[in-house]
Amino acid sequence: TQLLEQSPQFLSIQEGENLTVYCNSSSVFSSLQWYRQEPGEGPVLLVTVVTGGEVKKLKRLTFQFGDARKDSSLHITAAQPGDTGLYLCAGGSGNTPLVFGKGTRLSVIA
Amino acid sequence: DAGITQSPRHKVTETGTPVTLRCHQTENHRYMYWYRQDPGHGLRLIHYSYGVKDTDKGEVSDGYSVSRSKTEDFLLTLESATSSQTSVYFCAISGTSRNTEAFFGQGTRLTVV
Repeated sequence: TQLLEQSPQFLSIQEGENLTVYCNSSSVFSSLQWYRQEPGEGPVLLVTVVTGGEVKKLKRLTFQFGDARKDSSLHITAAQPGDTGLYLCAGGSGNTPLVFGKGTRLSVIA
Repeated sequence: DAGITQSPRHKVTETGTPVTLRCHQTENHRYMYWYRQDPGHGLRLIHYSYGVKDTDKGEVSDGYSVSRSKTEDFLLTLESATSSQTSVYFCAISGTSRNTEAFFGQGTRLTVV
């Protein structure tokens, strides 16, 4: 069974701080996705990474896929209250449905 | 936003009663999924479909059944609801394969009393 471990589970920071959240596995994935979920809503896709070592940027968010395609990180620069939410990583490989991590709940305080 | 509609959005039901949740898509995507989301457990796959009348079990399928008679509709049935099935249920769709980007509905909050 493929598992994705996300850390930290909870993160509370002040506006303007930087942060990194992690998504780790012992399994290799052909692609890895990051989603953000706000209260009362479904998860929304932020990015997909498919190549080992790949780095993608989305405004103040930087996503990296590990060289071995077993892990990923999400770095937020100068966090804002609008970044508050649950961040989920999900991995895909072979012919199986996506596997989701349990998420990192981020709170950015103004 | 992907065209996915879940109904109902909220439901309270009694233990032992059958419950059906509906997911409707307007994207003509091949794959449809049902997840439940619970504190401490994240998103867990219940069942998924890879075509009309083609379904498969997920991680937590016991006590649930699904049907897909049309491309656009995917129904989740709790055969005899139990309190442990109190949860938020999400439908998702994807187009290309089982593990490409998923688009989620807004969720159904189900309470079994």
